[in-house]
Amino acid sequence: AQTVTQSQPEMSVQEAETVTLSCTYDTSESDYYLFWYKQPPSRQMILVIRQEAYKQQNATENRFSVNFQKAAKSFSLKISDSQLGDAAMYFCAYRRYNNNDMRFGAGTRLTVKP
Amino acid sequence: GAVVSQHPSWVICKSGTSVKIECRSLDFQATTMFWYRQFPKQSLMLMATSNEGSKATYEQGVEKDKFLINHASLTLSTLTVTSAHPEDSSFYICSALEGFGNEQYFGPGTRLTVT
Repeated sequence: AQTVTQSQPEMSVQEAETVTLSCTYDTSESDYYLFWYKQPPSRQMILVIRQEAYKQQNATENRFSVNFQKAAKSFSLKISDSQLGDAAMYFCAYRRYNNNDMRFGAGTRLTVKP
Repeated sequence: GAVVSQHPSWVICKSGTSVKIECRSLDFQATTMFWYRQFPKQSLMLMATSNEGSKATYEQGVEKDKFLINHASLTLSTLTVTSAHPEDSSFYICSALEGFGNEQYFGPGTRLTVT
């Protein structure tokens, strides 16, 4: 079974600084997707970034980038120039390539200090 | 981007009654929809996968007779919590798979409180 582990229940960052959220996963598959979702207090899930396992290049979306280490099964999220609006729960998620259901990690609560 | 709606956003019901939650894909067709449950300060746990026109597939430990799922059209899936109990109180989130299955969009969630 696929499992997703987020070892940091809470993280804190100063506004304008950079923070990295960790995620590891366990799978025997070679093709899959990895995601980072943001869940603000409204609880609406918002896709932050997505990575296809077959791509070696790390995905980037503006201030958000990932460090995807396939051999190590690691998928960390870096948030640069942190903003107050980045404060939220962040969930790492895994989805097999030929399967549709998504598995989530336990989440990391990010606090941004002004 | 694609939008998924849920109705109601918050429902309070009495123990023993049933409540229906609707999940709609507003601007795309979704052959597959998913239902998740999220307890306070916890992660999303997949309850079931709903495919249009067929029976839902439930995750281990989820009572299919208690959580009835109907995916009657390409834009609507419903979750009915039957004979609700206070322990069913939770946040229920649906998501819908668009097109060829590359993008999954989430609804805003429904808060269920059973008194």
